[in-house]
Amino acid sequence: KQEVTQIPAALSVPEGENLVLNCSFTDSAIYNLQWFRQDPGKGLTSLLLIQSSQREQTSGRLNASLDKSSGRSTLYIAASQPGDSATYLCAVKAAGNKLTFGGGTRVLVKP
Amino acid sequence: DTGVSQDPRHKITKRGQNVTFRCDPISEHNRLYWYRQTLGQGPEFLTYFQNEAQLEKSRLLSDRFSAERPKGSFSTLEIQRTEQGDSAMYLCASSLAVGGYEQYFGPGTRLTVT
Repeated sequence: KQEVTQIPAALSVPEGENLVLNCSFTDSAIYNLQWFRQDPGKGLTSLLLIQSSQREQTSGRLNASLDKSSGRSTLYIAASQPGDSATYLCAVKAAGNKLTFGGGTRVLVKP
Repeated sequence: DTGVSQDPRHKITKRGQNVTFRCDPISEHNRLYWYRQTLGQGPEFLTYFQNEAQLEKSRLLSDRFSAERPKGSFSTLEIQRTEQGDSAMYLCASSLAVGGYEQYFGPGTRLTVT
């Protein structure tokens, strides 16, 4: 059974600092991995999707890496801003089509 | 707006009542998914459809839950005889059946059972 873990559960940084969010998964037989952002009481916004054959994906200040063999992904957010405050979730897709989510990392960027 | 939409956004109901939620996926997406998210946790998969066929159901989907997608477009999720433990955010997502399979989520329906 696939299990996804995100550590730490919460993170607080001063504005301008780079954010590093970690995601680990137990079964490396994944199809892809998605990173999402969730604001309080809202739905999920897809940030980046990395296919299993890829090592990284970039979008603006966001960069996500994937090491399938070690079961890890990292989301980097450069030069954090207060507007980056949210919960960040990673999810893996295996052959069964469903996404298996981690518990999320709650991020607070202090002005 | 061509994203995933869900209705209602909030629902408060008394224990024992039935509730129904609706999801309208992105129009060209033939896959539709339901997830449930409790406070402080990541979403958990409930079920998914490809067109009108329900292809996978989680063990979380007890016999009080039923989902339909009658014409392969919108979907409904019904919970019968609601219990306090059903209080959660119900999220709908859609994707194509080819390509990257990226899932796009709706805003969710927040259910509170009193």
